Amino acid sequence: EDQVTQSPEALRLQEGESSSLNCSYTVSGLRGLFWYRQDPGKGPEFLFTLYSAGEEKEKERLKATLTKKESFLHITAPKPEDSATYLCAVQGDTGGFKTIFGAGTRLFVKA
Amino acid sequence: DSGVTQTPKHLITATGQRVTLRCSPRSGDLSVYWYQQSLDQGLQFLIQYYNGEERAKGNILERFSAQQFPDLHSELNLSSLELGDSALYFCASSDPVGNEQFFGPGTRLTVL
Repeated sequence: EDQVTQSPEALRLQEGESSSLNCSYTVSGLRGLFWYRQDPGKGPEFLFTLYSAGEEKEKERLKATLTKKESFLHITAPKPEDSATYLCAVQGDTGGFKTIFGAGTRLFVKA
Repeated sequence: DSGVTQTPKHLITATGQRVTLRCSPRSGDLSVYWYQQSLDQGLQFLIQYYNGEERAKGNILERFSAQQFPDLHSELNLSSLELGDSALYFCASSDPVGNEQFFGPGTRLTVL
């Protein structure tokens, strides 16, 4: 069964203090791994798609990387506006586009 | 604004009742996805439709059903509601490749 585990559950950072969020996954044939950002009471907002081990993608202060078993979301010099829940999700290569989400990491960035 | 619309925004109903949630995908998107998000369960995949046909199914309860109409809008029907069905229900849409899902604002369902 496809599974996604994210750690830590919550992360508190000072503004400018870089860190990483972890996403461990098991899936029968990875079709894609996705990162989303979710603000309270709102729908998730797409950040990145990664397809194969070794791939990296960047957007502003965020960088996502992928290995065969896990993905990392690196946050460089975060700002208070980066505070949100970051969700990791996977799609396997069977069963249409069934998307399994992790429980998320709640990030708090203090000024 | 993702371009995905969901109605209603809030819904309050009683146990045993039936409700219908509606979703209109982004223009041009053929795939629609439904998710349930509760505090203790996170974001749970329910079902995906592509151009009117069911393509993928998650742990959707038998009391729940969905369909996608020829104009590509989708409806999620929840029946015999229980207290535990209280949650945020999100709809998302994507292009045929399905790499990026655009989420709607959600419908908050409260079952009393």
